Amino acid sequence: DGGITQSPKYLFRKEGQNVTLSCEQNLNHDAMYWYRQDPGQGLRLIYYSQIVNDFQKGDIAEGYSVSREKKESFPLTVTSAQKNPTAFYLCASHSPGHNYYGYTFGSGTRLTVV
Amino acid sequence: DQQVKQNSPSLSVQEGRISILNCDYTNSMFDYFLWYKKYPAEGPTFLISISSIKDKNEDGRFTVFLNKSAKHLSLHIVPSQPGDSAVYFCAAQAGGTSYGKLTFGQGTILTVHP
Repeated sequence: DGGITQSPKYLFRKEGQNVTLSCEQNLNHDAMYWYRQDPGQGLRLIYYSQIVNDFQKGDIAEGYSVSREKKESFPLTVTSAQKNPTAFYLCASHSPGHNYYGYTFGSGTRLTVV
Repeated sequence: DQQVKQNSPSLSVQEGRISILNCDYTNSMFDYFLWYKKYPAEGPTFLISISSIKDKNEDGRFTVFLNKSAKHLSLHIVPSQPGDSAVYFCAAQAGGTSYGKLTFGQGTILTVHP
């Protein structure tokens, strides 16, 4: 079945550590996105990529980095510069077309700083 | 600046009655709107969408209404079922079905009581 896989589901990070969240899709979608969910704030865009080897900052990119070396993969690194990284992280993908159903989301990664 | 707002953090309705979830937007460039449903610790799933050339779109128990002059849209669920209990996000996009990124509201927690 086609879909988006995020791993791990739960991740614990110590202060000062960098961690990388994985996002893989087999939907052959061109565009991929990373969102962060905090209580009461909805989903906020961190980074997005429309094609391989290209990506743009979203609304809250500070303290995060990404790469897009393959169409299927869009990993997100939460660096030690991110002041408040504890959140639920969602990866999404889509391609434009006649049957536009918006984004397909992964099941998310909950990151906790300990 | 919150371009998409869901001013009701929560809504509680009785099974069988109508649920009405509201969403307001400020960006007049938005021309495509979507509703997503999200369960805890899962990614959002697409529910229904509407283009700005329409004022109503219906899919089974779900109907979305768009009032462009008021920059307001609403999701009606009739009849409401306990399985509808979830967080509902409104999202908006500029540029139709192109690669435009989605802007999300804060979400409304719907609880349907048996």
